Amino acid sequence: KAGVTQTPRYLIKTRGQQVTLSCSPISGHRSVSWYQQTPGQGLQFLFEYFSETQRNKGNFPGRFSGRQFSNSRSEMNVSTLELGDSALYLCASTESSSHNEQFFGPGTRLTVL
Amino acid sequence: AQSVSQHNHHVILSEAASLELGCNYSYGGTVNLFWYVQYPGQHLQLLLKYFSGDPLVKGIKGFEAEFIKSKFSFNLRKPSVQWSDTAEYFCAVMDTGRRALTFGSGTRLQVQP
Repeated sequence: KAGVTQTPRYLIKTRGQQVTLSCSPISGHRSVSWYQQTPGQGLQFLFEYFSETQRNKGNFPGRFSGRQFSNSRSEMNVSTLELGDSALYLCASTESSSHNEQFFGPGTRLTVL
Repeated sequence: AQSVSQHNHHVILSEAASLELGCNYSYGGTVNLFWYVQYPGQHLQLLLKYFSGDPLVKGIKGFEAEFIKSKFSFNLRKPSVQWSDTAEYFCAVMDTGRRALTFGSGTRLQVQP
């Protein structure tokens, strides 16, 4: 099976812009989670989607949002970008019956200038 | 809220040395425990996991970890490291109700040939 794929892999934006990142889970996986990785804060949970519904959300401002489509693909959006949003954004997928084992994609590295 | 502590931030070892990375978590409920590895330039990969049963779990590449419930610990071990083990290692806990991973701050392992 192909692994989790994320597009784009690299992105440069300026403050105030918005950005949309995409994640395709492993075939058959219905849950998609998003994480932010920064040198200062480490890996932090953003949100999790299952069957097109957000089931859990981390402690991030409302500028961070996401959605999931019927084919389980997911997007996350960050509006009004700030310098501090520069990070590696990771997507992980889970097969619902697998004790919540998460498989990670390569990430999208976002740089905000 | 749950938290994960990794005591060693940077570890330098010579090849063939033994490795033990500490991980302690704080959470009173049922947890699933994981160790992930991030090789330079690569995505997060699962090393091993603990859900229930035998507290000594074996993972890939000769790694193992022991879950000690009374100490809230899940330490990672390898009897003899190789240069190719140079990577960053993350301990993570999942609250089985939330399906969100809480990560430790990571331990950067450098193995010298």
